[in-house]
Amino acid sequence: EDQVTQSPEALRLQEGESSSLNCSYTVSGLRGLFWYRQDPGKGPEFLFTLYSAGEEKEKERLKATLTKKESFLHITAPKPEDSATYLCAVRGSSNTGKLIFGQGTTLQVKP
Amino acid sequence: DGGITQSPKYLFRKEGQNVTLSCEQNLNHDAMYWYRQDPGQGLRLIYYSQIVNDFQKGDIAEGYSVSREKKESFPLTVTSAQKNPTAFYLCASMAGQGTGDIQYFGAGTRLSVL
Repeated sequence: EDQVTQSPEALRLQEGESSSLNCSYTVSGLRGLFWYRQDPGKGPEFLFTLYSAGEEKEKERLKATLTKKESFLHITAPKPEDSATYLCAVRGSSNTGKLIFGQGTTLQVKP
Repeated sequence: DGGITQSPKYLFRKEGQNVTLSCEQNLNHDAMYWYRQDPGQGLRLIYYSQIVNDFQKGDIAEGYSVSREKKESFPLTVTSAQKNPTAFYLCASMAGQGTGDIQYFGAGTRLSVL
């Protein structure tokens, strides 16, 4: 069964304190791993897609990496505006387009 | 301005009542999805549609119904058979296969029971 587990559930950082969020997954035939950002009361906003082990992508203070079993979202020198819930999802080999989501990591960055 | 529009933003359901959540997209995407989000849980798939006039059940379809009469629209009805409907409902769309498989989301509808 396809499964995604994110850790930690919640993370508090001081502004400028770098850290990483983890997404562990099991899926038959990975067709993509997706990171989204979700602000309270809003829909998820797409950040990155990773397709194969060793791939990395960056956007401002965020960097996503992928191995065969997990993905990391590295946050470098975070600012308070980076506070949000970060969702990880995988797409397997079926043709439905269905995404399997983790429960999310809620990040709070204090000034 | 391309995107996915969900309405209403907030919705209240009385016991025994059916309610319909609207989802419209002007991205010319083929596939559309409905997810339910509960606190502390990941998004769970309710229904999806890959082409007009065709849709499939997701993991938690019981108590819900959908239609896909137009490419742009994918309304979700929460029926009285859904005993625990209080949740945040998210609609997503995706361009055809092989285009990056990225799902884009609307702003959501929060449904509560009176």
